[in-house]
Amino acid sequence: ETGVTQTPRHLVMGMTNKKSLKCEQHLGHNAMYWYKQSAKKPLELMFVYNFKEQTENNSVPSRFSPECPNSSHLFLHLHTLQPEDSALYLCASSQDPKGSYNEQFFGPGTRLTVL
Amino acid sequence: QKEVEQNSGPLSVPEGAIASLNCTYSDRGSQSFFWYRQYSGKSPELIMFIYSNGDKEDGRFTAQLNKASQYVSLLIRDSQPSDSATYLCAVRVGGFKTIFGAGTRLFVKA
Repeated sequence: ETGVTQTPRHLVMGMTNKKSLKCEQHLGHNAMYWYKQSAKKPLELMFVYNFKEQTENNSVPSRFSPECPNSSHLFLHLHTLQPEDSALYLCASSQDPKGSYNEQFFGPGTRLTVL
Repeated sequence: QKEVEQNSGPLSVPEGAIASLNCTYSDRGSQSFFWYRQYSGKSPELIMFIYSNGDKEDGRFTAQLNKASQYVSLLIRDSQPSDSATYLCAVRVGGFKTIFGAGTRLFVKA
């Protein structure tokens, strides 16, 4: 275990559903990230939060809505997704990069299938 | 567009051999460099990071960085079948932004 947990591990949803992914880190880190990993493509950074404030939004469609209530918890709210959004969604955390090299630690991921 | 390039492989080496994985990056301002290992169906696991030119060794793993050539490599000595995985090169380009390569699949034959 890396100290970063994600739930659910698997999710199947229809295009009209609303669901949420949850991430929790137990490492005392300040920054949390959402990445999308599709088959044979590089990890794509979606959002970054540092001390609960969003610092990066990598041109992600509005059907993905992040929420970071505190430095230990991160959510990704999903609504009206498309089949091409099916992928592995990974959460990661790191120390504040100002004081480190920003090595990131990943959770196990949520395998999302949109029907 | 900042990019990180890796040969997708698969790279196949016999057990006990040295596996050499390579990565190039486009942003000269890149600050730190990471190698992650990802087993099939699992999430990436940090193996090593390096931030200054030269070599950094940790057990059977050696990371090499050449900023002038914008090149990072990972050497795995005495390769084991359990090293078979996809290896992701990642480059921190500033702030919180890290760019990942698509990964190189390594297969170690017993």
